[in-house]
Amino acid sequence: DTEVTQTPKHLVMGMTNKKSLKCEQHMGHRAMYWYKQKAKKPPELMFVYSYEKLSINESVPSRFSPECPNSSLLNLHLHALQPEDSALYLCASSQVLGTLFFGSGTQLSVL
Amino acid sequence: DAKTTQPNSMESNEEEPVHLPCNHSTISGTDYIHWYRQLPSQGPEYVIHGLTSNVNNRMASLAIAEDRKSSTLILHRATLRDAAVYYCILRDGGSSNTGKLIFGQGTTLQVKP
Repeated sequence: DTEVTQTPKHLVMGMTNKKSLKCEQHMGHRAMYWYKQKAKKPPELMFVYSYEKLSINESVPSRFSPECPNSSLLNLHLHALQPEDSALYLCASSQVLGTLFFGSGTQLSVL
Repeated sequence: DAKTTQPNSMESNEEEPVHLPCNHSTISGTDYIHWYRQLPSQGPEYVIHGLTSNVNNRMASLAIAEDRKSSTLILHRATLRDAAVYYCILRDGGSSNTGKLIFGQGTTLQVKP
């Protein structure tokens, strides 16, 4: 299994809602990543987890809260988002320092 | 993070070779050159990477200049399915490697039938 599975594929939320994005991999990878991608722009790194511990936070606002409950799962909890947070959110996994495998993303719209 | 420069867009004809250039004049000795591509409506996918020597795999070839300040991704026979944004990325393989993979602007490749 070489897939990174992201759910949901699409999400519409209001600015007062709380929602979560989920990412799962069964490749035995111990590094997991969240990226944000606006239309026609390259992906921007948000967070890196290594061995289930947060190793990199690229100065992401606190309304985005990552969680890595085990080595196969990565969540991104969303709260009080702004319309400008609307984007494609990509999850990836890798062996530590290895090649990244990306999911297809969650397309998020904040109204 | 060392920077890469790529043309914004390129065009190719189907079944012809494509050479995608990348300049990285500030590359350090421990930086690996990675290429990823992103097809429409998909997440990025790994294509190839190298340090100093030219590399080949089933998807592409990577030609690295002797001074390592530039490299070229070669698709030997472009197909319509190769139409994508191609990203050239430097990733530190030394002791300061934090695991970051930072994307630049990339090259949008159009393949004409």
